[in-house]
Amino acid sequence: KNQVEQSPQSLIILEGKNCTLQCNYTVSPFSNLRWYKQDTGRGPVSLTIMTFSENTKSNGRYTATLDADTKQSSLHITASQLSDSASYICVVSARGSTLGRLYFGRGTQLTVWP
Amino acid sequence: DTEVTQTPKHLVMGMTNKKSLKCEQHMGHRAMYWYKQKAKKPPELMFVYSYEKLSINESVPSRFSPECPNSSLLNLHLHALQPEDSALYLCASSHPVTDTQYFGPGTRLTVL
Repeated sequence: KNQVEQSPQSLIILEGKNCTLQCNYTVSPFSNLRWYKQDTGRGPVSLTIMTFSENTKSNGRYTATLDADTKQSSLHITASQLSDSASYICVVSARGSTLGRLYFGRGTQLTVWP
Repeated sequence: DTEVTQTPKHLVMGMTNKKSLKCEQHMGHRAMYWYKQKAKKPPELMFVYSYEKLSINESVPSRFSPECPNSSLLNLHLHALQPEDSALYLCASSHPVTDTQYFGPGTRLTVL
């Protein structure tokens, strides 16, 4: 069964600290993995997208890693800011899947305190 | 222009009302999507349009009726909704090559 599991479910950190969010998936055959940031009541915004051959991709203070062998990904946030408070969703698509068929994790709710 | 726009931002309607949600993109994407998202849950796919034709309907009740008038516009017509239909409705579009979906800001729907 194609699934995406994220941990932790929620996380509280102090402003300026770093954190790492985890994503494990069983989607097969794998096509790509995306991390989205979703502010409360808003649509998800894409942070990174990685294909099978990529193992690291950065977008400013966000760095995503992918280990396609162990089917794990992480999102590392450095020097956190109050505006980083949001839900971070891991989304995986399968190669050759029906158009639009994405597998969503439940997200990690990150709260950054001053 | 890398933006998907949705109107209205908020909508409150009664169970006997008829209303429509609108979505627009000008990125040349040929696939457009409607999702429903309840609080603290991931988005659930409702409909997919590919080249203006409905390609996926995830067994959505007929009180939700999608329409794609042209390649830039996507509507969701609502009629006789139930209170449990209250949710954030997200529209998305995707690039034909990269398949990355770009989401709109959503419409917060409340059914009384």
